[in-house]
Amino acid sequence: KQEVTQIPAALSVPEGENLVLNCSFTDSAIYNLQWFRQDPGKGLTSLLLIQSSQREQTSGRLNASLDKSSGRSTLYIAASQPGDSATYLCAARTSGTYKYIFGTGTRLKVLA
Amino acid sequence: SQTIHQWPATLVQPVGSPLSLECTVEGTSNPNLYWYRQAAGRGLQLLFYSVGIGQISSEVPQNLSASRPQDRQFILSSKKLLLSDSGFYLCAWSVRRAEETQYFGPGTRLLVL
Repeated sequence: KQEVTQIPAALSVPEGENLVLNCSFTDSAIYNLQWFRQDPGKGLTSLLLIQSSQREQTSGRLNASLDKSSGRSTLYIAASQPGDSATYLCAARTSGTYKYIFGTGTRLKVLA
Repeated sequence: SQTIHQWPATLVQPVGSPLSLECTVEGTSNPNLYWYRQAAGRGLQLLFYSVGIGQISSEVPQNLSASRPQDRQFILSSKKLLLSDSGFYLCAWSVRRAEETQYFGPGTRLLVL
């Protein structure tokens, strides 16, 4: 059974700092792994999707990596801004299913 | 472009009352559809998913049910709400290819009193 864990649960950093969010999954047989952003009281917005055959994806200041063998993904945010403050969730889609298993998220606060 | 709608946005219901939450998708055909619940301080829990009209897969035992009467309509229901049903309910859709992302609706906040 796939389990997804995110560390840390919460993170507070000063503006301009580079930071890394971690996501671990127990079953390496995945189709893809996605990173989402959720603002308070809102739905989820997809940030990056990494296919199982890929090692990383980049979008602007965001870079996500995937290491299936170790069951890990990281989301790197460069030059953080107060507008980056949100909860970041990762989700793994297990091979052979339509199901996405989510981590509990990392609540990020970027201080101006 | 594709859009996903959920209503109502907020709902306060007494224990024991029925529930009906609706989700509709525009701009795509034959989507996979999903219902999630997000309880306070917890991650997203997959409740149901559907790969076609009338095809519903349930992920957790509960007093909720789901139906898909039309290709782009997904309904979450309950005959009698429990206090533990309170939470933030999110609908999502994805294209039926393994490499595609999920797109989420704005959510419905349900408070059962």
